[in-house]
Amino acid sequence: EAQVTQNPRYLITVTGKKLTVTCSQNMNHEYMSWYRQDPGLGLRQIYYSMNVEVTDKGDVPEGYKVSRKEKRNFPLILESPSPNQTSLYFCASSPAGQGTIRGYGYTFGSGTRLTVV
Amino acid sequence: AQSVAQPEDQVNVAEGNPLTVKCTYSVSGNPYLFWYVQYPNRGLQFLLKYITGDNLVKGSYGFEAEFNKSQTSFHLKKPSALVSDSALYFCAVRDDNYGQNFVFGPGTRLSVLP
Repeated sequence: EAQVTQNPRYLITVTGKKLTVTCSQNMNHEYMSWYRQDPGLGLRQIYYSMNVEVTDKGDVPEGYKVSRKEKRNFPLILESPSPNQTSLYFCASSPAGQGTIRGYGYTFGSGTRLTVV
Repeated sequence: AQSVAQPEDQVNVAEGNPLTVKCTYSVSGNPYLFWYVQYPNRGLQFLLKYITGDNLVKGSYGFEAEFNKSQTSFHLKKPSALVSDSALYFCAVRDDNYGQNFVFGPGTRLSVLP
């Protein structure tokens, strides 16, 4: 089954303790992205990646890191989490390219609800 | 630059009545338009999309959307709402003349009242 798998689904952690949220897709998609969703703010893009070893900042990258060493994996790293990073996080992937391939849309993971205390 | 607007934070409709969730967009090239739905405590699910061709697009769960190029709109519609349609709806656009990024609207919460 074509899917984006995020882990964990739920995470409660303490301020300053490094954590990683994993994201893996099995569709050979070039483009992957992380979003956070907060009440009243919609979806805000954190980082995205066009392909292996190609990453770039989205709208709210502060406090986050990513890596793309393999095409299928795109982990989100919080080096020193703070309470303002308490949020619902989504990973998504899509084919990338010119023309109508951009019409393929996103496949989203199920989300990770992170609480930083 | 690309942008998406969903002018209504909340839409309330009675069960059985038609529903419309509005979306307008701005792109520099040709738009690829999408609707996603998020049910409570769930991820985002694809509903439908417009790439090219017929302006009326049919999608999952009886939803449809009409692409209107002159009004730069892509409103989501359903002829008869169900209580189970209550959810958060996001419109998104991808521009064929810009980067690979999707731009999402802020979301519209639909409540269908029994």
